[in-house]
Amino acid sequence: QVQLVQSGAEVKKPGASLKVSCKASGYTFTSYTIHWVRQVPGQRPEWMGCINAGNGNTKYSQNFQGRVTITADTSASTTYMELSSLRSEDTAVYYCARGFETGNYFDYWGQGTLVTVSS
Amino acid sequence: SSELTQDPAVSVALGQTVRITCQGDSLRSYYASWYQQKPGQAPLLVIYNKDNRPSGIPDRFSGSSSGNTASLTITGAQAEDEADYYCNSRDSSGNQYVFGTGTKVTVL
Repeated sequence: QVQLVQSGAEVKKPGASLKVSCKASGYTFTSYTIHWVRQVPGQRPEWMGCINAGNGNTKYSQNFQGRVTITADTSASTTYMELSSLRSEDTAVYYCARGFETGNYFDYWGQGTLVTVSS
Repeated sequence: SSELTQDPAVSVALGQTVRITCQGDSLRSYYASWYQQKPGQAPLLVIYNKDNRPSGIPDRFSGSSSGNTASLTITGAQAEDEADYYCNSRDSSGNQYVFGTGTKVTVL
């Protein structure tokens, strides 16, 4: 069965960087894209960016341009999302989700990673 | 505009039908998908490509689309359908994704 398993909760100081992992199993990793979505408590989900796990091409939300980097390690079927220059407003649950290069939907989601940014 | 707008909240009597709408210019070009989210859980895909249900999603969930509006209908709402619902689609450029403002569904 398809599973996306994310790394554990993190507490970060303002100005620090964050790296969250998402390990995929149960399907051919390189045949899909992985998206990263974050959700501030009480707010709607927000798309951050994605990576085509087959060719490594990335797309990023303009809202995070320059602060977010998404990479993939095909040998480990794992995707990583790095967010730099953290501020308190980045406190949120971060999700990875499987998608399709030409599709408009995310069919499987990770369990979420709570990130708290606090001094 | 790349915004997807939903009604903030709707209520439905147990067993009755409720329709949730999502409006946005990009929906004239791209299909919407719909997600159910319960407290403390990840979003769950319930409708994709306008009117398709993933395996395991009850057939009381259905989708439709016309012009700049996508709709999610729950026919015969159950207590377990009480949740937040979000639409999602690409923005007008096709290179970014946008989530709707969200609708809280209460089953009475």
